[in-house]
Amino acid sequence: EAGVTQFPSHSVIEKGQTVTLRCDPISGHDNLYWYRRVMGKEIKFLLHFVKESKQDESGMPNNRFLAERTGGTYSTLKVQPAELEDSGVYFCASSHGAKNIQYFGAGTRLSVL
Amino acid sequence: GENVEQHPSTLSVQEGDSAVIKCTYSDSASNYFPWYKQELGKRPQLIIDIRSNVGEKKDQRIAVTLNKTAKHFSLHITETQPEDSAVYFCAASDAGGFKTIFGAGTRLFVKA
Repeated sequence: EAGVTQFPSHSVIEKGQTVTLRCDPISGHDNLYWYRRVMGKEIKFLLHFVKESKQDESGMPNNRFLAERTGGTYSTLKVQPAELEDSGVYFCASSHGAKNIQYFGAGTRLSVL
Repeated sequence: GENVEQHPSTLSVQEGDSAVIKCTYSDSASNYFPWYKQELGKRPQLIIDIRSNVGEKKDQRIAVTLNKTAKHFSLHITETQPEDSAVYFCAASDAGGFKTIFGAGTRLFVKA
């Protein structure tokens, strides 16, 4: 069974540019989560999808961040325009079932210069 | 808002010794507490979890304890090995395990 995959693994962009991160959850997992870890700090919750619907987006920093999950399969997280403080590792996770154990992707390291 | 405090941020032990990582949480509604291990360059992986209806859970060399009254939970690793070296994250969430609040992580070094 394929795990959660994220693309790209690393992105370096300049302040003001746009970046789109992609996450492919484990097949059949209805729940999809986005997290961000700034160096040395906690893995911070951004939002949670159930299928294609945003269940909780209370962790999204501001309106420069837009997450979508059209069709309830893969998800994208777009940052437009990127700022220096957006740098960090963006993790995606997916889960399914009553126990709701979250399986993480390897993350996308975003560097905004 | 909800938060999870994790200590220490760095822990260095000799191979064979025990390691203990402690966390506290603020949301009294939390009742699911997973622990993740992230090796260098790899994804965070669940190593053990505990739900609020039990006080302790053990899996081979790792164990987790939970004190709901004090809102504390801890990870214990016995007979540490070099391959235990990683960053460990504690987390707390509600019954559904949806919104999960993580601690800042503990970097564990096990010296051979």
